[in-house]
Amino acid sequence: DAGVTQSPTHLIKTRGQQVTLRCSPKSGHDTVSWYQQALGQGPQFIFQYYEEEERQRGNFPDRFSGHQFPNYSSELNVNALLLGDSALYLCASSLSASGSTDTQYFGPGTRLTVL
Amino acid sequence: SQQGEEDPQALSIQEGENATMNCSYKTSINNLQWYRQNSGRGLVHLILIRSNEREKHSGRLRVTLDTSKKSSSLLITASRAADTASYFCATDANTDKLIFGTGTRLQVFP
Repeated sequence: DAGVTQSPTHLIKTRGQQVTLRCSPKSGHDTVSWYQQALGQGPQFIFQYYEEEERQRGNFPDRFSGHQFPNYSSELNVNALLLGDSALYLCASSLSASGSTDTQYFGPGTRLTVL
Repeated sequence: SQQGEEDPQALSIQEGENATMNCSYKTSINNLQWYRQNSGRGLVHLILIRSNEREKHSGRLRVTLDTSKKSSSLLITASRAADTASYFCATDANTDKLIFGTGTRLQVFP
């Protein structure tokens, strides 16, 4: 049973560029949440996708957008990258029937560095 | 913004000792969860305690919840070097968002 997978593992971009991060949820899960974790901080909720729609959003600008596909996988897109976007981006999956804030299963993360 | 604050920020103990971490939060909740993170990698779910529960056990872990004080504690008994990690509490703040605290960095020396 595959857990949550994320790609790529590491990514280096320059300011102003755009980036796409990918996530495949745990088998059987239909809800995907994205988090940003700056160095030394706790994860910050970006948004959550269910049934291919954004269901909840944290305090992140519109430069952060996402998508969920019919197979429940998800993408996180960040436009016009800033130095402050450098962080570990975590994807978590859960089963909607269990409640959107019930146990979440995290992927290993994508380390984004913006130069 | 962070909902929870863990205390202490860092903790160093010897193998075999117990480790206690505390979490305080600001608003009412449906549940509170504890997660572990090794060296900047993905988080691993440890335990979930609902607002109507006061104590929960899982192996060497014991979690308590005091909703009147808006606080929780995580106790790891007989700690091992492999327990070295950062530990985060997370609450739902009666929303559909999971909000994490700032974390406690635990170092267990052999």
